[in-house]
Amino acid sequence: DQQVKQNSPSLSVQEGRISILNCDYTNSMFDYFLWYKKYPAEGPTFLISISSIKDKNEDGRFTVFLNKSAKHLSLHIVPSQPGDSAVYFCAASRYDKVIFGPGTSLSVIP
Amino acid sequence: NAGVTQTPKFRVLKTGQSMTLLCAQDMNHEYMYWYRQDPGMGLRLIHYSVGEGTTAKGEVPDGYNVSRLKKQNFLLGLESAAPSQTSVYFCASSRTSELPGEQYFGPGTRLTVT
Repeated sequence: DQQVKQNSPSLSVQEGRISILNCDYTNSMFDYFLWYKKYPAEGPTFLISISSIKDKNEDGRFTVFLNKSAKHLSLHIVPSQPGDSAVYFCAASRYDKVIFGPGTSLSVIP
Repeated sequence: NAGVTQTPKFRVLKTGQSMTLLCAQDMNHEYMYWYRQDPGMGLRLIHYSVGEGTTAKGEVPDGYNVSRLKKQNFLLGLESAAPSQTSVYFCASSRTSELPGEQYFGPGTRLTVT
């Protein structure tokens, strides 16, 4: 049973519009959440994170929202750019344990 | 800095053969990890190490062994490869567990077992 779920395997967005990637988790003990971005033939790279004591964290065009009661987080990318086309992994952690979701492939269409 | 490097980048093995994947990091990180990525499964932790000379099991450790004899290196061994171990393997490292999950990944090793 997956503890971290990304129910949309893929997403297409027009350049300049907002991309919203969603993630759900089942274990309420997770206290730190992250998003990673992965290009083909490369390793994942850390994008943005949020602690469970916060409900929002921003870094430039990227914002992560956390809804603890719903066990849901989302990544907003505004405005979306063609270079954002990649696979995005959501991850949840507690202590040394990090669980990754299956990923969502984002395509930003010029 | 090279960051995290992995050797080899590609490998094809026959069932029953053995091999070792090498991961090296030059960031003086304490923590190192081995993951495998399979379609629709995300990244699953195989083994990890919280310091030189220490290792621990992750989610999917069966069929793999690891060693961390030097702080900068983390080796993943397959003693008797099976087709189920066909996957892309990623190594990662991090400073400490204070920011859990903020890991630096290598480029991956694509392994095919026939």
